[in-house]
Amino acid sequence: DSGVTQTPKHLITATGQRVTLRCSPRSGDLSVYWYQQSLDQGLQFLIHYYNGEERAKGNILERFSAQQFPDLHSELNLSSLELGDSALYFCASSVGLFTDTQYFGPGTRLTVL
Amino acid sequence: QQQVKQSPQSLIVQKGGISIINCAYENTAFDYFPWYQQFPGKGPALLIAIRPDVSEKKEGRFTISFNKSAKQFSLHIMDSQPGDSATYFCAASREQGYQLIWGAGTKLIIKP
Repeated sequence: DSGVTQTPKHLITATGQRVTLRCSPRSGDLSVYWYQQSLDQGLQFLIHYYNGEERAKGNILERFSAQQFPDLHSELNLSSLELGDSALYFCASSVGLFTDTQYFGPGTRLTVL
Repeated sequence: QQQVKQSPQSLIVQKGGISIINCAYENTAFDYFPWYQQFPGKGPALLIAIRPDVSEKKEGRFTISFNKSAKQFSLHIMDSQPGDSATYFCAASREQGYQLIWGAGTKLIIKP
């Protein structure tokens, strides 16, 4: 158990809908990262927050947005969902910035029908 | 220049054999090279990491070899076991504050 929690574990929704994925980092970690992993694919870095501020953006679509709240939990919002958005979405946290060990949560499996 | 190229995409090794996964990078500013291990249905977890001031780092059966001049680093798993079957990701970064650049992953299967 990494100490990072993600909810929900599974999410099934329809095209065009909007969903929110939630992540609680390990106690004391200030950084939260979001990744997308499609079936048998690598990890695609989406976005990074550090202590409430956006620090880096990766291959994140305009339909996706995220934020980190004062209590350091984070939410990833996915809107106008398409079939191709079906994937595992991982949240990771670290004490500081990128070269600190990233601890990954168990992921949220999103299925868009 | 930001890419990390990982090979092979998949690898099958007999139990007790040596598994070798390679990564290559272009950006000479990279100075942190971790390997993450991911079991099916789980998130990746840090396995071992190296910085360029050493050419090799060993933790148990896992060794990272680093060749600065060739801009390559590799993961060696000695005496590979079925429990090592997982997907392995290499990554690279420069200094604090820069994002990790991830390799595409290698699916390793250890045959009993």
